[in-house]
Amino acid sequence: AQSVTQLDSHVSVSEGTPVLLRCNYSSSYSPSLFWYVQHPNKGLQLLLKYTSAATLVKGINGFEAEFKKSETSFHLTKPSAHMSDAAEYFCVVSAYSGAGSYQLTFGKGTKLSVIP
Amino acid sequence: NAGVTQTPKFQVLKTGQSMTLQCAQDMNHNSMYWYRQDPGMGLRLIYYSASEGTTDKGEVPNGYNVSRLNKREFSLRLESAAPSQTSVYFCASSEEGSASFLPYEQYFGPGTRLTVT
Repeated sequence: AQSVTQLDSHVSVSEGTPVLLRCNYSSSYSPSLFWYVQHPNKGLQLLLKYTSAATLVKGINGFEAEFKKSETSFHLTKPSAHMSDAAEYFCVVSAYSGAGSYQLTFGKGTKLSVIP
Repeated sequence: NAGVTQTPKFQVLKTGQSMTLQCAQDMNHNSMYWYRQDPGMGLRLIYYSASEGTTDKGEVPNGYNVSRLNKREFSLRLESAAPSQTSVYFCASSEEGSASFLPYEQYFGPGTRLTVT
């Protein structure tokens, strides 16, 4: 079984300051991990993914995440927040479900607010 | 290239009514998925289809049926809608198939907002 815990339901930062969104996971096997972003009333878009290559993963729009096996964490960071970063962010773990298909397990989401 | 499209965008149903949510993708993807999103719950998988002609239950399948009509289309049916099915429904697709060894990115549609009164 696998699970994802996003440690903060809401994070608020000032524009130009760093962003940290925290995620811990539980997985029986070496996991694949993702961060997705959802802007208001939109579908989800992939920010970045980890699939057992480099532990520091760079994504779109200046975001990056570091896979730490010893801490079972996959925290999302950005050096400087922009107003357009205001959205909901989901940490996701993937597991193989057979016949070439993978099931995603989503965290409950972290809503990021950016204050001008 | 439209990606993943969903119809309708909004729907209001009365308890006991039935409806079908439509999803289509134009990326020649093998796998397709239906999720529901409820406040504070993240997304939960309802059903998925690893290839044309196959479907499997996800985490919350009760009250739903699906059809993988062809490689492009994957529909979700509510036979007798209940207020507990009020939610936002997302369809997604990915390249994964029988030769996959690692998960591919899932591409999401814009969602259908369903209210059951």
